[in-house]
Amino acid sequence: SQELEQSPQSLIVQEGKNLTINCTSSKTLYGLYWYKQKYGEGLIFLMMLQKGGEEKSHEKITAKLDEKKQQSSLHITASQPSHAGIYLCGAGAYGSSNTGKLIFGQGTTLQVKP
Amino acid sequence: NAGVTQTPKFQVLKTGQSMTLQCAQDMNHEYMSWYRQDPGMGLRLIHYSVGAGITDQGEVPNGYNVSRSTTEDFPLRLLSAAPSQTSVYFCASSYSTRSRNSPLHFGNGTRLTVT
Repeated sequence: SQELEQSPQSLIVQEGKNLTINCTSSKTLYGLYWYKQKYGEGLIFLMMLQKGGEEKSHEKITAKLDEKKQQSSLHITASQPSHAGIYLCGAGAYGSSNTGKLIFGQGTTLQVKP
Repeated sequence: NAGVTQTPKFQVLKTGQSMTLQCAQDMNHEYMSWYRQDPGMGLRLIHYSVGAGITDQGEVPNGYNVSRSTTEDFPLRLLSAAPSQTSVYFCASSYSTRSRNSPLHFGNGTRLTVT
């Protein structure tokens, strides 16, 4: 079965610093979702990547999909306290971007120190 | 649109008790699913449904039952609660499993403790 592994598991950065979170799949990725979760709340959809080499940005968050490495990265530029939370990557369980049976990585907890 | 609504937000059960976690969506979504979230293990799929009357098992279905009698509702039943079922439960839905542009929408979760 497919597995998603995120690194690092946790991250503490100073406000204003850049950071990167990685998501590596045990199988070829045909699409990948990034979500953010604040403590005690549900998951908020950030963006979806469908094609190898695709890159998307939303405000100061950029995500890329590298199919050859079966990996996606999430980069935050000039981090702010509002970026704090748990970031999770998700993919279709059979390597497709079909949302049926979406599986998730274990999450990366981000703290941003003012 | 309320989105995905889960009730209750918190619940404490004793071992052996039964209960139903409620999930409703008002977006006319075809696909609905239940996940549990445990520290260090991410989200694990319990059961899912691709439409009214159709359900299937996910990664960790044991101890849980589901039904989908309407498009809007997808309740999760614990027949005999065990301490191992202490977790945070999330319900999610999406417009279609066939569309590539159909992300999951999540509820705010139910925090369940079994003593």
